[in-house]
Amino acid sequence: EDQVTQSPEALRLQEGESSSLNCSYTVSGLRGLFWYRQDPGKGPEFLFTLYSAGEEKEKERLKATLTKKESFLHITAPKPEDSATYLCAVDEAGSYQLTFGKGTKLSVIP
Amino acid sequence: GAGVSQSPSNKVTEKGKDVELRCDPISGHTALYWYRQSLGQGLEFLIYFQGNSAPDKSGLPSDRFSAERTGGSVSTLTIQRTQQEDSAVYLCASSLAVSQDQYFGPGTRLLVL
Repeated sequence: EDQVTQSPEALRLQEGESSSLNCSYTVSGLRGLFWYRQDPGKGPEFLFTLYSAGEEKEKERLKATLTKKESFLHITAPKPEDSATYLCAVDEAGSYQLTFGKGTKLSVIP
Repeated sequence: GAGVSQSPSNKVTEKGKDVELRCDPISGHTALYWYRQSLGQGLEFLIYFQGNSAPDKSGLPSDRFSAERTGGSVSTLTIQRTQQEDSAVYLCASSLAVSQDQYFGPGTRLLVL
């Protein structure tokens, strides 16, 4: 069973059409949940870290939220340059590695 | 400041050859991580270093894979007797300390023919 599941696998939005990406996790002790953006042919770019349920962080058109079972990445009025694969990862207590989901590929159409 | 750098950016090799991949972390970052990203798969953890020591080697896929870090800075991931299934993007990340935010390099794209 995957510890980190992202949905949907792919999402197409019209420019300006707000939506949310989901990341659900099943680790026993969450030390942190991370969101990254990855453009084709590049390494993941750090976006946010969330540490406790109820925490929210914002950056430009992106807002990340965290509950005890999942995290959402809300995208408000997206632009074509927001097109990328968004990766979620968890840092589990007792482990020093990040466990990644398979990502959501976002396409924003002008 | 400078981010994580990796070299080479691309590597094509023949099955059975050895390859070395290099990672230069962000200056001052004590923790360094190697991951592998295969087509259609998520990022897979390989190994991490705290300083020059590697407390967790559990992610290395086989004994053909090894890694070292010298001077608390540069790290090298070596794959011996490469196989076609080793073809992937190898990503390096660094953080100020373990369990801090990890910053990734651009990756090395390895193709084993």
